[in-house]
Amino acid sequence: GAGVSQSPSNKVTEKGKDVELRCDPISGHTALYWYRQRLGQGLEFLIYFQGNSAPDKSGLPSDRFSAERTGESVSTLTIQRTQQEDSAVYLCASSLVGLAGGTGELFFGEGSRLTVL
Amino acid sequence: AQKVTQAQTEISVVEKEDVTLDCVYETRDTTYYLFWYKQPPSGELVFLIRRNSFDEQNEISGRYSWNFQKSTSSFNFTITASQVVDSAVYFCALSEAGNYGGSQGNLIFGKGTKLSVKP
Repeated sequence: GAGVSQSPSNKVTEKGKDVELRCDPISGHTALYWYRQRLGQGLEFLIYFQGNSAPDKSGLPSDRFSAERTGESVSTLTIQRTQQEDSAVYLCASSLVGLAGGTGELFFGEGSRLTVL
Repeated sequence: AQKVTQAQTEISVVEKEDVTLDCVYETRDTTYYLFWYKQPPSGELVFLIRRNSFDEQNEISGRYSWNFQKSTSSFNFTITASQVVDSAVYFCALSEAGNYGGSQGNLIFGKGTKLSVKP
């Protein structure tokens, strides 16, 4: 597709269950980012992948959160033993190079809305 | 510590009014980048501009203009002759070069300003 694709668009789960959120970046984009947006709030950085470098996981809020990326393609964000506080929209973005290169533009997906009951 | 403050939570204007959205940032890095993003009701964030710390020249793009002032650590955004389609949440964001431990992937967002433009 032409843009960043995320799935599922909506996920309702019970507290304690694991969830997986998927992101398909724009083809050829080396950088991929995950953000979390709680209702009415700004975006909270979670993790950043750049090419084959080790990911920057400094934003992951707890060890229940993990993410993987295969090469320069699909990424999966996994939340284990979900809690109600995990309810948010999880946004994925990709860019051709990093924030300092090119135009610095991040292309965002529409997000995955997670509701933990 | 790195921080972006958007003091205006919500602004409401009538169409054709000019409106300025304020953004104040904090960083120890001498090399950094400032951004504005628009999030319309549909939810998908749209990139508007990136500015680097060495370029204080103001920028104009159609009805949009940006005023970057390092002396006050501000990067304000003005919409001239606002239109209903400008209604959205606008986010200011900061990215550092990483010279003081910040992550080059960490785009630090403000909490956003919700702009409502009424006809």
